[in-house]
Amino acid sequence: EVQLLESGGGLVQPGGSLRLSCAAFGFTFSSYAMSWVRQAPGKGLEWVSAIIGSSGRTYYADSVKGRFTISRDNSKNTLHLQMNSLRADDTAVYYCAKVYGDYHLGEVDYWGQGTLVTVSS
Amino acid sequence: QSVLTQPPSASGTPGQRVTISCSGSSSNIGSNYVYWYQQLPGTAPKLLIYTNNQRPSGVPDRFSGSKSGTSASLAISGLRSEDEADYYCAAWDGSLSGVVFGGGTKLTVL
Repeated sequence: EVQLLESGGGLVQPGGSLRLSCAAFGFTFSSYAMSWVRQAPGKGLEWVSAIIGSSGRTYYADSVKGRFTISRDNSKNTLHLQMNSLRADDTAVYYCAKVYGDYHLGEVDYWGQGTLVTVSS
Repeated sequence: QSVLTQPPSASGTPGQRVTISCSGSSSNIGSNYVYWYQQLPGTAPKLLIYTNNQRPSGVPDRFSGSKSGTSASLAISGLRSEDEADYYCAAWDGSLSGVVFGGGTKLTVL
């Protein structure tokens, strides 16, 4: 059974940093692209970043480019999102998402339960 | 302002057929697959339609997707109360080199 367990969310001050992690179970982690998708309170879904399983190539939304870094440790079946220079509009539930395959990044077949990040002073 | 445009709301009565539209451009819907997600209140999204019109196993055939040019649509027939949820379209955008979502459509079953 596929499971994605996020951790690392919490309250952080504007300008601060936070590192999210996602532990993956139940599939061959290195064979699949992984993404982070966020949802601000009461708002819609926003894709944040993705990383290809086979090559490690990364992609970012313009809103986080230069501030967030996605990475993966295939030996530990873990996905990370390092978030720096956080702003109030980064406040959201962050979902870890498994892509179906290693190519069509819009196709997410499994989602984590989400972890809340709150940026506030 | 989302790259893909959806109506903010839709509604129907039980048994009716409702359609939700998703409008994009040549760099996203016009040249890439469209996906649809259902998000029930308080839960993570769920893949409803992939590669424009395919249903994952377990998704009822009441749900169908289509695409024409730079627009796509999700149709729900035989509307049920449990279909009340937020629906999002998504696609890869070649110009942005990223995934783009629609703003979401809140479906109310009257």
